[in-house]
Amino acid sequence: AQSVTQLGSHVSVSEGALVLLRCNYSSSVPPYLFWYVQYPNQGLQLLLKYTSAATLVKGINGFEAEFKKSETSFHLTKPSAHMSDAAEYFCAVRYSGNTGKLIFGQGTTLQVKP
Amino acid sequence: NAGVTQTPKFRVLKTGQSMTLLCAQDMNHEYMYWYRQDPGMGLRLIHYSVGEGTTAKGEVPDGYNVSRLKKQNFLLGLESAAPSQTSVYFCASIDRHPGNQPQHFGDGTRLSIL
Repeated sequence: AQSVTQLGSHVSVSEGALVLLRCNYSSSVPPYLFWYVQYPNQGLQLLLKYTSAATLVKGINGFEAEFKKSETSFHLTKPSAHMSDAAEYFCAVRYSGNTGKLIFGQGTTLQVKP
Repeated sequence: NAGVTQTPKFRVLKTGQSMTLLCAQDMNHEYMYWYRQDPGMGLRLIHYSVGEGTTAKGEVPDGYNVSRLKKQNFLLGLESAAPSQTSVYFCASIDRHPGNQPQHFGDGTRLSIL
């Protein structure tokens, strides 16, 4: 079955440290790929999406993600964490078909320590 | 510019009661979705609709029904609420031929079943 896996349900970093959140998908055919962020008691906000124009995708709030077909991965990074980055992050994929459905990873909660 | 609006935002029900969650979008989107979010499980698709008058089952449809009588509205019903349906429910929408376009999410409905 098609799936997406986020390694690590909780990630803790110090303010100013590198953020790395991992996402792997299951298909040999690259799907459409997205990262969403959810702040407490809010809905999901798009951080970035893979467009196939470039393997390194820049998003909002200084986040980036790199698409690696050979590793079936789309990991999210930010060079320097800020306290305001504390939130839950979801990787989502859309496989082929016309229904627009998304399959979500389990989510990773990012904690930023002062 | 409201986007996707969910009503109500919070609700507490007793086991066996029924209720309807309303999702309204003002973007003239063709496709709409209902997800539930549970800790450690990401978002799981309950039902979706690819147009007015059409609905289809998602990953976890049991215990829920939906209707899409108007293009802008997508209703999620619980006929006989169970404690296992305690969750946060999100509605999302997207236009037809989604490709790499992201879904737009509402702010969620927090539902507790006692």
